[in-house]
Amino acid sequence: EPEVTQTPSHQVTQMGQEVILRCVPISNHLYFYWYRQILGQKVEFLVSFYNNEISEKSEIFDDQFSVERPDGSNFTLKIRSTKLEDSAMYFCASSPGTGGNRNYGYTFGSGTRLTVV
Amino acid sequence: AQSVTQPDIHITVSEGASLELRCNYSYGATPYLFWYVQSPGQGLQLLLKYFSGDTLVQGIKGFEAEFKRSQSSFNLRKPSVHWSDAAEYFCAVGAQSSASKIIFGSGTRLSIRP
Repeated sequence: EPEVTQTPSHQVTQMGQEVILRCVPISNHLYFYWYRQILGQKVEFLVSFYNNEISEKSEIFDDQFSVERPDGSNFTLKIRSTKLEDSAMYFCASSPGTGGNRNYGYTFGSGTRLTVV
Repeated sequence: AQSVTQPDIHITVSEGASLELRCNYSYGATPYLFWYVQSPGQGLQLLLKYFSGDTLVQGIKGFEAEFKRSQSSFNLRKPSVHWSDAAEYFCAVGAQSSASKIIFGSGTRLSIRP
């Protein structure tokens, strides 16, 4: 079964540093997403991306965050200057986004645990 | 806006006992419903999803869920739990008609009593 792949699985960074989290969505999917889960809390939506632009973002997704699809396969989340409160598990997801059943096949990656020290 | 409520923060059941985890959703259009399980420090594993058709959905690990439109519920059940089922369980809702975000409930932590 096709998978969404995220790298690295765990990243430790110093406060104030830039970090890039990487994702390879399922190849024929058109919509891409990032979610965040702070330890012990629920999974929260950050941003959705379609046709090389952001289609929706939450209030969490402020100017410190950006997303990019630099080539035909990768989808990245950049945090410009990390804060302690950015420590969380970050999940990438993708969905087909076409046809009547546009979210059927919505698939999450296994996550990147980001620790800011 | 869609929302998901999981009324039980923590449930403890004895090994071998039956389990039901509650989930209520609020969504104006036809929902797409999921149950995920998460072990500590791990990612999300999809247990099952409901899109259309039979309202009783079978998933992995012996889990099932029933979609009840009249009650806006999608409760997860298992007839006999195993110690390895101890984990956090998340219910989630998304849209069928448009590619969009999925909204998660706050989760139910399941503990198993030996």
